[in-house]
Amino acid sequence: DAGVTQSPTHLIKTRGQQVTLRCSPKSGHDTVSWYQQALGQGPQFIFQYYEEEERQRGNFPDRFSGHQFPNYSSELNVNALLLGDSALYLCASSPSAGGSYEQYFGPGTRLTVT
Amino acid sequence: DQQVKQNSPSLSVQEGRISILNCDYTNSMFDYFLWYKKYPAEGPTFLISISSIKDKNEDGRFTVFLNKSAKHLSLHIVPSQPGDSAVYFCAASVEGSWGKLQFGAGTQVVVTP
Repeated sequence: DAGVTQSPTHLIKTRGQQVTLRCSPKSGHDTVSWYQQALGQGPQFIFQYYEEEERQRGNFPDRFSGHQFPNYSSELNVNALLLGDSALYLCASSPSAGGSYEQYFGPGTRLTVT
Repeated sequence: DQQVKQNSPSLSVQEGRISILNCDYTNSMFDYFLWYKKYPAEGPTFLISISSIKDKNEDGRFTVFLNKSAKHLSLHIVPSQPGDSAVYFCAASVEGSWGKLQFGAGTQVVVTP
């Protein structure tokens, strides 16, 4: 049973560019959340997708947007990249049924903005 | 506003001894707490959790204690093993938030032989 997968593993972009990160949730999971982990900090919640809609959002600017597809996979888009966007981006999935709080995380995408 | 705090960035412990990791929170609405473990180049993996209606939960070598009045929880690992060397994150959630997690900054644990 494949867990949460993310692509690409690493990415280097220039300030001002746009980037798209991808995530496939664990089999049987229909909810996808994205987190940003800056160096030396814990993951910070960006937003969550369920039924192809953004259900809730953390304290991130509109430059951060996302999408969920009918197969539950998801994309995170960041526009007008800033140096401060350099971080590890983690995707987490969970099932909507059962009321579990547990999130299953992927290995992350390391984004470097130069 | 950091609502979940892990004030010890690192912990070194000898193999076989007890590791104690601490976590404090400020939001009294949190009703579920989780500990995650993270190795380099991997995503965080779930370790153990506790509901706010309990004060202790045990799973093998791992025990989590919750003191609601002090808004404090701790993770005990006994005995510590070299494979336990990792970063440990404390996380908290509010009922009805669909599993949205707020994390602490993490504690790097190094278990020495």
